[in-house]
Amino acid sequence: DAKTTQPNSMESNEEEPVHLPCNHSTISGTDYIHWYRQLPSQGPEYVIHGLTSNVNNRMASLAIAEDRKSSTLILHRATLRDAAVYYCILSQGAQKLVFGQGTRLTINP
Amino acid sequence: GAVVSQHPSWVICKSGTSVKIECRSLDFQATTMFWYRQFPKQSLMLMATSNEGSKATYEQGVEKDKFLINHASLTLSTLTVTSAHPEDSSFYICSASAFLSEQFFGPGTRLTVL
Repeated sequence: DAKTTQPNSMESNEEEPVHLPCNHSTISGTDYIHWYRQLPSQGPEYVIHGLTSNVNNRMASLAIAEDRKSSTLILHRATLRDAAVYYCILSQGAQKLVFGQGTRLTINP
Repeated sequence: GAVVSQHPSWVICKSGTSVKIECRSLDFQATTMFWYRQFPKQSLMLMATSNEGSKATYEQGVEKDKFLINHASLTLSTLTVTSAHPEDSSFYICSASAFLSEQFFGPGTRLTVL
């Protein structure tokens, strides 16, 4: 399974945009980039996924580098409820997700 | 849509007993269900993958005779922890997917073995 590298933690302020980076230099051509987040004592929640083009949904945007070796999850206007651990995962389809340590995002009021 | 439930949400049991955890996809048919385990301050670790009507595929290091998985229907999978010991205390999370779509996770079950 291709690996990803994320910062251990990040901090941002409420109502400001947040850019969460993810490096995946060994990504293969058929790997999708998935983002999940996990609030304390809860199961992970799907955020967004993409293959090559940038993606937008109601929760976030995913910006994928042209060489696909990195990507950035963008929360356009963070709220306190966005405080969670964010996982960037590579997978061919949604099968066998391998979770790394993720980025713990703290939102300051 | 895409709601996955787990029951119970928490359970406390004595060492040596067996515990069954249910995972249900409430509004879709799940061709594949996954079971994960998460220890405090650690990430999720995949335990096994199960497809409806067939035997589960266990990850390396996971004892299949200790963690029994049944996926009898497209909406229900069960994980039974047999002869539980304190080291089995953990947060168990299931997920479900349909035909290679995204995985949707349950809320988790916290198991404490005394």
